[in-house]
Amino acid sequence: SAVISQKPSRDICQRGTSLTIQCQVDSQVTMMFWYRQQPGQSLTLIATANQGSEATYESGFVIDKFPISRPNLTFSTLTVSNMSPEDSSIYLCSVEDLGTGTTEAFFGQGTRLTVV
Amino acid sequence: DAKTTQPNSMESNEEEPVHLPCNHSTISGTDYIHWYRQLPSQGPEYVIHGLTSNVNNRMASLAIAEDRKSSTLILHRATLRDAAVYYCILFGNEKLTFGTGTRLTIIP
Repeated sequence: SAVISQKPSRDICQRGTSLTIQCQVDSQVTMMFWYRQQPGQSLTLIATANQGSEATYESGFVIDKFPISRPNLTFSTLTVSNMSPEDSSIYLCSVEDLGTGTTEAFFGQGTRLTVV
Repeated sequence: DAKTTQPNSMESNEEEPVHLPCNHSTISGTDYIHWYRQLPSQGPEYVIHGLTSNVNNRMASLAIAEDRKSSTLILHRATLRDAAVYYCILFGNEKLTFGTGTRLTIIP
């Protein structure tokens, strides 16, 4: 199993500013993902965080808006840049060991972001 | 990406079995079927997963159709703590893609 710590757990930010969310895992994992969950909605995959290289973004998400770092196999950050009220969501970090679907994925508790 | 279809909501009486259906008609041969649930104000929690054969664990059972185009999550004896949104997900191309999920309400 993997235990994920996400920081901050919640924040209220002014529009136009940026927030960096941290994801720390207690063991080395192959795959790390970042999701967004808008109010009352399901989870949408933002990107796969790749260790030592640029993240792989899903359609509709761009690096300039959501820069991601992954310096090692246990840590990643997601930055929400130039925020607007539409960015108010829960952002979740997820990890999975193999990337094959043969093992379970683990999720952090999420970061609840409110942009005012 | 392959998609899943689930009922938006279901209700069940406490201490009775619950069958949560999921259709995934475009599933590929290498996609694993995963189920997660999300309790209020928490991140999703793993429930069970499988490829072709039915699977059992301490939380639930997963019944997979022979053609793999549908599956059913079975909670054998629902409790109030099982009230959550249940997501049926296909794990393919090295990522989990969530559908809309089923909101399960347990009636005391």
